[in-house]
Amino acid sequence: GQNIDQPTEMTATEGAIVQINCTYQTSGFNGLFWYQQHAGEAPTFLSYNVLDGLEEKGRFSSFLSRSKGYSYLLLKELQMKDSASYLCAVLDSNYQLIWGAGTKLIIKP
Amino acid sequence: SQTIHQWPATLVQPVGSPLSLECTVEGTSNPNLYWYRQAAGRGLQLLFYSVGIGQISSEVPQNLSASRPQDRQFILSSKKLLLSDSGFYLCAWTDEGFHTGELFFGEGSRLTVL
Repeated sequence: GQNIDQPTEMTATEGAIVQINCTYQTSGFNGLFWYQQHAGEAPTFLSYNVLDGLEEKGRFSSFLSRSKGYSYLLLKELQMKDSASYLCAVLDSNYQLIWGAGTKLIIKP
Repeated sequence: SQTIHQWPATLVQPVGSPLSLECTVEGTSNPNLYWYRQAAGRGLQLLFYSVGIGQISSEVPQNLSASRPQDRQFILSSKKLLLSDSGFYLCAWTDEGFHTGELFFGEGSRLTVL
């Protein structure tokens, strides 16, 4: 079966750095996505990785290792507005998105 | 620019009543359209997707149905709601070939079945 694993919840301090991990086992691989979802709202796109390595976009970076079936989302200089759920999703060989359950990130002052 | 809208935003329905959620996309043509459901603490569950007018693929057996009467219109329906249909419903679109690598979501519709 296809599976995406990520921690259920994480807590971090304002101004700090946090890394959210995602491991996957899917039928084929055509890319990995990270989305941010604030409570009661729709998900919004953060990043897309299809090749190994680190993609940096401002305070957010996403890393992919296809051989390990592993990705992480790195958030730097945390702000209170970063409190949200972070969803990992993999595009499989049929170009269908397989979603993780999301990681709820709580930022404390 | 492209936009996606879905409505209603919130609804409370009794068990056994019908349902209709509507989604429209503007600023693009031939989009792939999706209906997802998100239960509390769960990942997004794909319900239906459509690659063109009248073309609907169902991912899970259920008492819901979907229709695409126009290129940029996607409707989610039910004749008789169940308690288990409660959840957060999201419409989404991507371009025909998924070339941008991004799924665009509507605002979401929160359904409570009592």
